Amino acid sequence: SQTIHQWPATLVQPVGSPLSLECTVEGTSNPNLYWYRQAAGRGLQLLFYSVGIGQISSEVPQNLSASRPQDRQFILSSKKLLLSDSGFYLCAWSRGRENSPLHFGNGTRLTVT
Amino acid sequence: AQKVTQAQTEISVVEKEDVTLDCVYETRDTTYYLFWYKQPPSGELVFLIRRNSFDEQNEISGRYSWNFQKSTSSFNFTITASQVVDSAVYFCALSELVRVASYGKLTFGQGTILTVHP
Repeated sequence: SQTIHQWPATLVQPVGSPLSLECTVEGTSNPNLYWYRQAAGRGLQLLFYSVGIGQISSEVPQNLSASRPQDRQFILSSKKLLLSDSGFYLCAWSRGRENSPLHFGNGTRLTVT
Repeated sequence: AQKVTQAQTEISVVEKEDVTLDCVYETRDTTYYLFWYKQPPSGELVFLIRRNSFDEQNEISGRYSWNFQKSTSSFNFTITASQVVDSAVYFCALSELVRVASYGKLTFGQGTILTVHP
């Protein structure tokens, strides 16, 4: 069966510090991968998605970047965090075909102080 | 642009009551998918159901049922005989069907916080 791992679970970082959140998927190959952000515990916003190694699409301009160095690894980064980057970050994967739902990781709660 | 509206911000019920969560969507696409996700207090989103725009049959899964009405652009979710474990935030979402990666490019509603009291 497929599993998705996301870490760390919680993170407190000062403004201006770098960020690296990692997500890995097991049990499937060539998944579509996604980073979502949930602000203030409510609606989710798609930040990045990837259909393959090295292929990243950004949905909204922001202070963050994403990379996919391996087929089942997706990394969310920032060189300098802003207060507005605080939120709940969720990684997700789906099979790259019709009828495939998203499967989410447990999320990372980031607080920028 | 796509839009999903969950007009109910919070719903509070007593255990064993039935509860319906409303979802209204907007899209210019003729082919699309609708989803419901559950987010318990632990935070992860749990997939509940997916429905494509060509299938208007209602679906029942245990205590859960979904009513899809294309004419009113609604995809409502009913929990019958609610239980305390149903307490969570429920999200309705819409996905366009254009490119491969679009299957995961969901537009989410703002969510409905459901609290079931014992």
